[in-house]
Amino acid sequence: AQSVTQLGSHVSVSEGALVLLRCNYSSSVPPYLFWYVQYPNQGLQLLLKYTSAATLVKGINGFEAEFKKSETSFHLTKPSAHMSDAAEYFCAVSDSGSARQLTFGSGTQLTVLP
Amino acid sequence: DADVTQTPRNRITKTGKRIMLECSQTKGHDRMYWYRQDPGLGLQLIYYSFDVKDINKGEISDGYSVSRQAQAKFSLSLESAIPNQTALYFCATSEAATDTQYFGPGTRLTVL
Repeated sequence: AQSVTQLGSHVSVSEGALVLLRCNYSSSVPPYLFWYVQYPNQGLQLLLKYTSAATLVKGINGFEAEFKKSETSFHLTKPSAHMSDAAEYFCAVSDSGSARQLTFGSGTQLTVLP
Repeated sequence: DADVTQTPRNRITKTGKRIMLECSQTKGHDRMYWYRQDPGLGLQLIYYSFDVKDINKGEISDGYSVSRQAQAKFSLSLESAIPNQTALYFCATSEAATDTQYFGPGTRLTVL
C-alpha cells in the first residue's frame, strides 16, 4: 500500500521568502508523484508531476520539486513567495501499475505574509 | 466552458434523504473518480470508473453508490444521507495513458 505524509499542516512565509513544503511517500513500486494546489472555493489544479524522468521537476507558477529516492521525499519549493501563492497544497502518489489510483496527503495550508 | 463540471455546487439536505451529485466532462477521458474532502484529511477516494462498464470501490465506498451513464457522465448517490457525510465532494477525470487527474470545482454537501 502506498501512503503520503505532508509535514506541517500550516506553513507561513513572508512575501519574497523561500517556500518549502515537505512530502514523504511510501510505495512498494516505483511511484509517480504529484503536487496539486487548491485555491479557495476551487477544485485541485496540477502543479507538477514526477514520472521517473528527471528528478528535478519544474511546474507552473515558478514551483519545482525534487524526487529523492534515498529519502523517499518529493518536497515542493519556490524561491520567492508571492501573495497569490496562498492556497492549500496536496502531495499525491500513484503506483505505476494498472490501477493508477492517487493517494493524497492531508494537505498543507500556505499563508503568505506581506 | 469548464472541462469538468459538477452539479449542484452547494446542497443542504436532511438525514435520511436520497441525494445525487452529478459530474460531466468534455475532456474525452475514459476514467472518472469521486472523492470526498474533509478538513485535515486530504482527499479520499469513494469510487472510480475506468470505462462505462467498469466501476470500482475506493477506500470509503460504504453509504455511497455510483452510476456511469456515459463516458462523459458519472453520478454519485447517497441513498440515505447521514450527518457525517457532510463534506466537499470532487469529481475528477484522467486519461488511461497518464495518471494526471483533472478536478471539477466541487460540491459542498451539508447533511442536517
